Amino acid sequence: DAGVTQSPTHLIKTRGQQVTLRCSPKSGHDTVSWYQQALGQGPQFIFQYYEEEERQRGNFPDRFSGHQFPNYSSELNVNALLLGDSALYLCASSFRTSGEPYEQYFGPGTRLTVT
Amino acid sequence: SQQGEEDPQALSIQEGENATMNCSYKTSINNLQWYRQNSGRGLVHLILIRSNEREKHSGRLRVTLDTSKKSSSLLITASRAADTASYFCATDYDNYGQNFVFGPGTRLSVLP
Repeated sequence: DAGVTQSPTHLIKTRGQQVTLRCSPKSGHDTVSWYQQALGQGPQFIFQYYEEEERQRGNFPDRFSGHQFPNYSSELNVNALLLGDSALYLCASSFRTSGEPYEQYFGPGTRLTVT
Repeated sequence: SQQGEEDPQALSIQEGENATMNCSYKTSINNLQWYRQNSGRGLVHLILIRSNEREKHSGRLRVTLDTSKKSSSLLITASRAADTASYFCATDYDNYGQNFVFGPGTRLSVLP
């Protein structure tokens, strides 16, 4: 049973460019959350997708957008890249069960470097 | 600002010793979870404790939760070099992860 997978592993972009990161959730999971983790910091919640809709968003600008596909996989898009966007981007999947706390399973992350 | 704050920021111990990390948070939560991260890679879920629970065990891990003090602790007993990692607490307001907030983490080094 494959866990959460992310692609690419590493990425180098130039300021002003756009980037798309991809995530495939763990089998049986229907919810995908994205996090940004700067070096030496804890992960910061970007947004969460469930039933192909953005359900909640953290304190990130509109340059950060996403999408969830019918097979539950997800993409994170970042436009007009800034140096400060350099970070490890983590995808986490879970199964959204009403009334039950759930565990998030994290992928290995995509290391984005903006030069 | 982040909901959870781990303490200490860094901890160095010898193999075989116990390691204790603390997490404080600011507002009411539904559950609190601890994660481990090795060398900037993906996070591994360790344990979940609900707001109505006071203590949970998993192998060499023991987690306590004191909702009156808005704090939690993670105890790793008989530590091993392989336990060297960063440990994060994450607080969940609503059980759906829509307000899932991580602290800055504790960096644990276990020396052989």
